[in-house]
Amino acid sequence: AQSVSQHNHHVILSEAASLELGCNYSYGGTVNLFWYVQYPGQHLQLLLKYFSGDPLVKGIKGFEAEFIKSKFSFNLRKPSVQWSDTAEYFCAVDGYNKLIFGAGTRLAVHP
Amino acid sequence: NAGVTQTPKFQVLKTGQSMTLQCAQDMNHNSMYWYRQDPGMGLRLIYYSASEGTTDKGEVPNGYNVSRLNKREFSLRLESAAPSQTSVYFCASRTQGRTGELFFGEGSRLTVL
Repeated sequence: AQSVSQHNHHVILSEAASLELGCNYSYGGTVNLFWYVQYPGQHLQLLLKYFSGDPLVKGIKGFEAEFIKSKFSFNLRKPSVQWSDTAEYFCAVDGYNKLIFGAGTRLAVHP
Repeated sequence: NAGVTQTPKFQVLKTGQSMTLQCAQDMNHNSMYWYRQDPGMGLRLIYYSASEGTTDKGEVPNGYNVSRLNKREFSLRLESAAPSQTSVYFCASRTQGRTGELFFGEGSRLTVL
């Protein structure tokens, strides 16, 4: 069975700091990976996804993620965060046509 | 173009009562999903329907039933609500295929007393 583990539950950063959120997955087959974001009071939106090709994936709002197959990881990065990045971030893995989410990382960015 | 529409948005139930959450999408998507979101636990998949006429259990199916009424609609039923089912429920849909983006509804906040 597939599973997703997000290492950090809460992250607090100052504006302009760099961000890296960890995500590890467990799945035996060909994997498709996603990062979603949930801004306060809103539903989830797709940040980026990986399903093949270049393991470094670029998404919206300056986010990127790197798929490292040997480490079963798909970490999310952003070089310089903004206050508006305050949100909850979810990693997800697709297997057998069902999308399984991690527990989420709540990011707070202080001005 | 409404996307994914869920009703009701809020509901309070007493233990043992039943209710159905409705979900409809107008994007001609094949796959539909029901998740529950609880603090510190992320989104957990309850049931999904890969295509019209099929449904499958997700991570936490106990206490729930689903119906894929047609391609547009996917309902979630609580036959005998329990306090542990207090949560925010999200319906989502996507085109068939494992690379597709999920489109979410606005969520339904359910409280079971």
